[in-house]
Amino acid sequence: AQSVAQPEDQVNVAEGNPLTVKCTYSVSGNPYLFWYVQYPNRGLQFLLKYITGDNLVKGSYGFEAEFNKSQTSFHLKKPSALVSDSALYFCAVRANTGGFKTIFGAGTRLFVKA
Amino acid sequence: GAVVSQHPSRVICKSGTSVKIECRSLDFQATTMFWYRQFPKQSLMLMATSNEGSKATYEQGVEKDKFLINHASLTLSTLTVTSAHPEDSSFYICSALGQGGAETQYFGPGTRLLVL
Repeated sequence: AQSVAQPEDQVNVAEGNPLTVKCTYSVSGNPYLFWYVQYPNRGLQFLLKYITGDNLVKGSYGFEAEFNKSQTSFHLKKPSALVSDSALYFCAVRANTGGFKTIFGAGTRLFVKA
Repeated sequence: GAVVSQHPSRVICKSGTSVKIECRSLDFQATTMFWYRQFPKQSLMLMATSNEGSKATYEQGVEKDKFLINHASLTLSTLTVTSAHPEDSSFYICSALGQGGAETQYFGPGTRLLVL
């Protein structure tokens, strides 16, 4: 069965500092991995995905994520946080063995202080 | 590109009435759409997978007779909450699979339903 864990309910970081939002996953076979961001009372916005290829994936708004197969992780990172990055971040996984069912993590709330 | 809209964005209804929520892919065709429910400060719960021209596939525990899903065209899926009750109050979000490999889901802005 597929599962996604986001071990931190909340991450606090000062503006200008690097940020990391953690995600680990469990899936049969090779995974498709995604990061989405959600602002209050809004739907989810796609940030980036890993399908295959280079383990370091670059996405929107300066975010990037690194796929680590041995640690089954896909942590989201940004070198320099902005106050406007404050939002709810979801990691998601889908098995590439057919079907389109995507499992979402519980979400991590990011607070960036000025 | 890859814009998904939902209508209405907010709806308040009386207990016992039915509410229809529309989900449209504006600039692409979506053979597969998904309906999620999100409770406050929680993740998305997949309710059903909607395939154009066929019956929706519901997740375990989701009442198909209460949450009617219709995917009549490649750009429109509807979710009807029938005989709504206060416990149905929630944030409902649809998504559609993108084109070009269909790996990425694009999400609508969500519909806030409040049942009084």
